[in-house]
Amino acid sequence: GNSVTQMEGPVTLSEEAFLTINCTYTATGYPSLFWYVQYPGEGLQLLLKATKADDKGSNKGFEATYRKETTSFHLEKGSVQVSDSAVYFCALSDKESAASGSARQLTFGSGTQLTVLP
Amino acid sequence: DAGVIQSPRHEVTEMGQEVTLRCKPISGHDYLFWYRQTMMRGLELLIYFNNNVPIDDSGMPEDRFSAKMPNASFSTLKIQPSEPRDSAVYFCASRLAGFGSYNEQFFGPGTRLTVL
Repeated sequence: GNSVTQMEGPVTLSEEAFLTINCTYTATGYPSLFWYVQYPGEGLQLLLKATKADDKGSNKGFEATYRKETTSFHLEKGSVQVSDSAVYFCALSDKESAASGSARQLTFGSGTQLTVLP
Repeated sequence: DAGVIQSPRHEVTEMGQEVTLRCKPISGHDYLFWYRQTMMRGLELLIYFNNNVPIDDSGMPEDRFSAKMPNASFSTLKIQPSEPRDSAVYFCASRLAGFGSYNEQFFGPGTRLTVL
């Protein structure tokens, strides 16, 4: 079955530091890959996505590249801010079937808590 | 649109009581998902609906859990009887169908359930 393994947290950085959160996956076929972010007390929000190999997703200064050869989708940001403090989830989705009604279900990693200190 | 709405935001109950969590998806969305989040198990998919029909409930932990979607704008997740190990944050999410492409899942703010 599908699975996502992401870097254990928590991660604590100083403001303007470089961020990397590692994510690797196991899946059959060609899944789509995502990073979701959860701010304190809120639900998850889509941060960025990539739907095929070598695609780079980017948003709010965050980037991640879909690497099929290493089955990875590492999240990076060049200069983090205090407002980036949150939990980050790597996820993948499988195929959607119009015939059966089955959805592109999301399989999530365990989440990585990021704290950025001023 | 107000986004996915969940109620209550916080629920504290005693073991053995019935608990009902409510969700209003974004208008027009075809799919509705219920998730549970705990420190030990992370984020787990419990059940999802397509056009109000349950498609996959394999994530429902046991018969004490049940979910319904009587119409396109409302869903409930019920736990009867509740147990302390059910304490978690329960999220509802919805999205449009997107065959051949990906449509974003929009999450509600969650219901934090504490069973004493």
